[in-house]
Amino acid sequence: AQRVTQPEKLLSVFKGAPVELKCNYSYSGSPELFWYVQYSRQRLQLLLRHISRESIKGFTADLNKGETSFHLKKPFAQEEDSAMYYCALTPSNSGGSNYKLTFGKGTLLTVNP
Amino acid sequence: DAGVTQSPTHLIKTRGQQVTLRCSPISGHKSVSWYQQVLGQGPQFIFQYYEKEERGRGNFPDRFSARQFPNYSSELNVNALLLGDSALYLCASSSGNSGNTIYFGEGSWLTVV
Repeated sequence: AQRVTQPEKLLSVFKGAPVELKCNYSYSGSPELFWYVQYSRQRLQLLLRHISRESIKGFTADLNKGETSFHLKKPFAQEEDSAMYYCALTPSNSGGSNYKLTFGKGTLLTVNP
Repeated sequence: DAGVTQSPTHLIKTRGQQVTLRCSPISGHKSVSWYQQVLGQGPQFIFQYYEKEERGRGNFPDRFSARQFPNYSSELNVNALLLGDSALYLCASSSGNSGNTIYFGEGSWLTVV
């Protein structure tokens, strides 16, 4: 069985402060990990995926297979980063035609001015 | 370019009734997935369809069913509604190719009274 845990339901930081949203996963095989974001009154959208190894909107995330973690980080938070963030997992061999995402419960990030 | 569209956006049903939710994927996308998001939780996988065939089913009772049409649009049906079925139902589409991105619709809010 696969499981994604986001231990913080709420996270509040000040503008310019570093932010780290935690994600731990449980999966016996090789996973593909994602971070999805939902801004107020907008649809759920992909923020980044670990295989791309890219930085989106200043956010990065590194897959740590030893600690089974995929924490999302940003060195200097901005007010527009305030949103709901979801970590998600799918088996890496699932392929496009057989695709199931397992989501964590989400972390609501608030960046205060 | 239209994204994933869902209808209706909001609806209220009575316990025991049946509901049909509709989804139109992004043009060219052959895979459609359905997720249930209960308040305070992350989305939970219900079904995935690819080329009109069911490719995955989550841990939901048989009261939940879905189908995909030749134009790749999809319907989710829920019979014998329970209060616990109250949730946001999300549809997501993707091309079906390996490594593709999943795009979500804005969802259908179902309230069962």
